[in-house]
Amino acid sequence: GAVVSQHPSWVICKSGTSVKIECRSLDFQATTMFWYRQFPKQSLMLMATSNEGSKATYEQGVEKDKFLINHASLTLSTLTVTSAHPEDSSFYICSAARLGLATHEQYFGPGTRLTVT
Amino acid sequence: AQSVAQPEDQVNVAEGNPLTVKCTYSVSGNPYLFWYVQYPNRGLQFLLKYITGDNLVKGSYGFEAEFNKSQTSFHLKKPSALVSDSALYFCAVREEAAGNKLTFGGGTRVLVKP
Repeated sequence: GAVVSQHPSWVICKSGTSVKIECRSLDFQATTMFWYRQFPKQSLMLMATSNEGSKATYEQGVEKDKFLINHASLTLSTLTVTSAHPEDSSFYICSAARLGLATHEQYFGPGTRLTVT
Repeated sequence: AQSVAQPEDQVNVAEGNPLTVKCTYSVSGNPYLFWYVQYPNRGLQFLLKYITGDNLVKGSYGFEAEFNKSQTSFHLKKPSALVSDSALYFCAVREEAAGNKLTFGGGTRVLVKP
């Protein structure tokens, strides 16, 4: 149990276009989902925390108008990179915290590799 | 504010030898500590956690970690490393008062040579 999926696993887009990444908890309900960004050979940087039915909380320095997060249900959160630029190229990872259990764990998706040309 | 340090960018070890990956943390309250492993182009896989109780925590794939409050450390260990343990390892901390927000260390690349 506790499987998190991401779609797509990789995407290439042109500068100026928008890209949507989906994060789904497949076999559990997630109160909270997190979006991270990881640059090559670097650690994960938390971008935002998303709670179902409410606005996401963005970390300092993350542009909320550029990285739109929607947490429409207890099993789905989406990250939309708007007007993408090459510097947005990165590995984006989501995670989900399980509803109703004090497991203290986050379950991570497999990541999405975004390349902006 | 919570923070995590992994002082070694890379650890090299021969297969069959003990493996240790170091982690120190800083929190203002009680820490919840985690270790994750990441294989190339993949998400993070949970290895183990310390929440409370015994300082020695046993996790997946033969890994264990020891919580040391006085040294604010949570080093990851494996008695006998395998080539398949070669990966990127992340230590993470969460303060009790910080909700579910995790702070990650910079990561340590482990290379196990045959």
